[in-house]
Amino acid sequence: EIVMTQSPATLSVSPGERATLSCRASQSVSSNLAWYHQKPGQAPRLLIYGASTRASAFPARFSGSGSGTEFTLTISSLQSEDFAVYYCQQYNDWPLTFGGGTKVEI
Amino acid sequence: EVQLVDSGGGLVQPGGSLRLSCAASGFTFSHYAKSWVRQAPGKGLEWVSTITGSGDSAYYADSMKGRFTVSSDSSKNTLYLQMNNLRAEDTAVYYCAKMDGTDGYRDVFNIWGQGTMVTVSS
Repeated sequence: EIVMTQSPATLSVSPGERATLSCRASQSVSSNLAWYHQKPGQAPRLLIYGASTRASAFPARFSGSGSGTEFTLTISSLQSEDFAVYYCQQYNDWPLTFGGGTKVEI
Repeated sequence: EVQLVDSGGGLVQPGGSLRLSCAASGFTFSHYAKSWVRQAPGKGLEWVSTITGSGDSAYYADSMKGRFTVSSDSSKNTLYLQMNNLRAEDTAVYYCAKMDGTDGYRDVFNIWGQGTMVTVSS
């Protein structure tokens, strides 16, 4: 099983600041890496796939990068609606596995 | 509009059974793989199972194999998860999710249902 590790667990930032979230895979997942955004009481939403392709519902301030085992999600200028939990997920191999999440808070 | 509506959750005793449903609309049901993902209270996401668009093949997380069965009915545009021999650690919100391709291989969860809560307790 591919283990996904996210850091930090919690990220405290102010509106307008830049946020950088990390995700590491225990073995290479190529670019088969997705990021999901989840607000309290809501279902997750697909944010990034293919490590760097942004889903159409999300604005350009969100960007993803990386390949192999090291990945990064960057939010260039945090808005109030961006405060949420972000999960990375590998879909290179079964079983599909998620990271533990990073909570972005004020 | 693509939509998934989860239902069937509730309180069940340890060792009991429950069947979850996910009603789909807004897309050709048999053309896309579907999955179940769960989230224990206050915890992260855990993949449960994936079924191909045709319903011919299914994949399971090891801890669910032999206890959970995923199925789909294209005539009703509905996905199911039959859960048997439930344990306290199965307590979670269960989400159905549509995938972007037909067979679920190397694919993402691009649309999610709202989730249904399953509580396993005596």
